[in-house]
Amino acid sequence: GAGVSQSPSNKVTEKGKDVELRCDPISGHTALYWYRQSLGQGLEFLIYFQGNSAPDKSGLPSDRFSAERTGGSVSTLTIQRTQQEDSAVYLCASSLALILKETQYFGPGTRLLVL
Amino acid sequence: GENVEQHPSTLSVQEGDSAVIKCTYSDSASNYFPWYKQELGKGPQLIIDIRSNVGEKKDQRIAVTLNKTAKHFSLHITETQPEDSAVYFCAASMNTGFQKLVFGTGTRLLVSP
Repeated sequence: GAGVSQSPSNKVTEKGKDVELRCDPISGHTALYWYRQSLGQGLEFLIYFQGNSAPDKSGLPSDRFSAERTGGSVSTLTIQRTQQEDSAVYLCASSLALILKETQYFGPGTRLLVL
Repeated sequence: GENVEQHPSTLSVQEGDSAVIKCTYSDSASNYFPWYKQELGKGPQLIIDIRSNVGEKKDQRIAVTLNKTAKHFSLHITETQPEDSAVYFCAASMNTGFQKLVFGTGTRLLVSP
C-alpha cells in the first residue's frame, strides 16, 4: 500500500523567503509527526498531531516555524523568513495512534537548502 | 529530558562478520527502544524494537538487548551482507501520552564484500 509521501523532495530557497513543506500520511493514520535531520545528526522532534490538533509544539525551534493539519490527513510545515541554519532534511512520520506500541512510518523527507 | 548517545559513529565490517551498535539513555522512565535503518535518500525504517519488560528480542539476523540497570541497549547484526550497509539510529521513548522518540546520532555501517 501507499506509504507516507512528502513534497517537494528537494527545495532550494533564498534566505528570508518562506517555504511550505507537505506531508501525506498513510491513510487512516491519526497520528502525524515532524522531525528535522541536520547533516550527520540524528532526528530532532519538532511537533506531533493527533487528528488536527497539536498538543505539543515544544520542539519547534523558533516562532518562524509553524505547522497545521487539516481534515485529519495532510499536514504542512511552514518556515517563515528562512535562515541558512534551517537547511536540513525534514521528515514526516505517521502512526495508527499515539500510543507507545504503534510503529512510526517515515516518509522520504524534504531536503531544504537555504542559500 | 531524555538524551541518547550512540556509538560508534562509523563501523566497517567484512561480509559475514557480526556488527554491534550500542546506545545509552539517560531517563530511567524510558520504556520503548526502537531501531531504525536509513538508506541513502530514504526515510528511516523500523527494523526492530524492544520494550522495557523484555531483555532481548531476536528477528532472524537481527537482535536487540536491553540492560535497564545500566540504561543501555544494543543492536546485533549477524552474518552481515552488503545490503545491510546503511545508517542505523537507535531511539528511546517514554509513555508521556504520545510516542516522543529521542534519537541517537546514528551509526554508518559499511559491509564490504
